[in-house]
Amino acid sequence: NFMLTQPHSVSESPGKTVTISCTRSSGSIASNYVQWYQQRPGSAPTTVIYEDHQRPSGVPDRFSGSIDSSSNSASLTISGLKTEDEADYYCQSYDSRTGVFGGGTKLTVL
Amino acid sequence: EVQLVESGGGLVQPGGSLRLSCAASGFTFSNYAMNWVRQAPGEGLEWVSTISGSGGATYYADSVKGRFTLSRDNSKNTLYLQMNSLRADDTAVYYCAKDIYSYAPRGCDYWGQGTLVTVSS
Repeated sequence: NFMLTQPHSVSESPGKTVTISCTRSSGSIASNYVQWYQQRPGSAPTTVIYEDHQRPSGVPDRFSGSIDSSSNSASLTISGLKTEDEADYYCQSYDSRTGVFGGGTKLTVL
Repeated sequence: EVQLVESGGGLVQPGGSLRLSCAASGFTFSNYAMNWVRQAPGEGLEWVSTISGSGGATYYADSVKGRFTLSRDNSKNTLYLQMNSLRADDTAVYYCAKDIYSYAPRGCDYWGQGTLVTVSS
């Protein structure tokens, strides 16, 4: 199995852009899709990105996802930050038999 | 509209058993794999188990293998997680989540609200 490593926390001001990274420990980041989940305090997770860069309906285009094979990592970028974006964000991928979550990143919008 | 409603959580003693259910609606249930993901208090998300759309294949995290059994009844659009030999470190909110694909763990696109399982004497 591999691990997904995220920064513990990031912070940025409203209106700015923030990027959260997710680095895969072994195997290629491009070999399996990456998903991103948002979890606001006291709420269930919701999906903001699936299959590396696809947005579910209802998710604003301020949210975008990408992968970078050179750094073996995936990224979630949120532009035009709003206070409502303050939440925990988790990346997730899989291998043939298991799902794997990153440890989560707490985004503070201040 | 996709809806996933979990039930069955509660307080159980160490070594005890509990069965969680997840009632699904708003999509063709048998076409998709289904997942359980848990979150211990103050901790991150942990993948627990996945079952294929047909129910013919199941996958488990090492932490629950041999103790938890995942099943589904496609005629009732319901997912079940039988949890035996429960331990204190199984204490968590358990989320039911619809998978993007039909046959193996890939990723989740819809989530339930979760049900709390507390293992304590």
